[in-house]
Amino acid sequence: DTEVTQTPKHLVMGMTNKKSLKCEQHMGHRAMYWYKQKAKKPPELMFVYSYEKLSINESVPSRFSPECPNSSLLNLHLHALQPEDSALYLCASSQGDRGVYNEQFFGPGTRLTVL
Amino acid sequence: QKEVEQNSGPLSVPEGAIASLNCTYSDRGSQSFFWYRQYSGKSPELIMFIYSNGDKEDGRFTAQLNKASQYVSLLIRDSQPSDSATYLCAVNINFGNEKLTFGTGTRLTIIP
Repeated sequence: DTEVTQTPKHLVMGMTNKKSLKCEQHMGHRAMYWYKQKAKKPPELMFVYSYEKLSINESVPSRFSPECPNSSLLNLHLHALQPEDSALYLCASSQGDRGVYNEQFFGPGTRLTVL
Repeated sequence: QKEVEQNSGPLSVPEGAIASLNCTYSDRGSQSFFWYRQYSGKSPELIMFIYSNGDKEDGRFTAQLNKASQYVSLLIRDSQPSDSATYLCAVNINFGNEKLTFGTGTRLTIIP
């Protein structure tokens, strides 16, 4: 199984809502990532979890809150978002071990619209 | 200077021809290099990775790496309309580091 799954595929939320994005992988990978991608731009790294611990936070606003309940699951909790947060949110995973090259595999993404 | 640079295109190539996509990077210590294909509205798909100088072939795709000149390229032979997509070059600057630095992508159009 070489698949990263993400739910939901689409999400529309108001600025006062609280919602969560979910990501799951069953490849035994130990690193998981959240990216944000705006139209015609490359993916922009938000967070990295390595062995279930947050290892990189790219100065993301606190209205985005990541959570890694176990090595296969990654959540992104959303609260009080702004319309400019509308984007494609991508989850990725990689083997995560030091000393290997860490190819990252992306899920299909969640298309988020903030009204 | 941007860390990873790509020509944004669009690059138009006739069907059946060779498409050549280029990427340069600024950090001489970069260790691993990846090519992702992204169709409009979809997520990036890893199609090639290369770590050593030289060529690496997989089907119609060939990745080329020249660390001395700090460039990596992707050749697509016998281009098909289904190859029309944006191709993202990504570089892992530190060995074993989780962070990838992406180029801005090259939009490729294969003309039937």
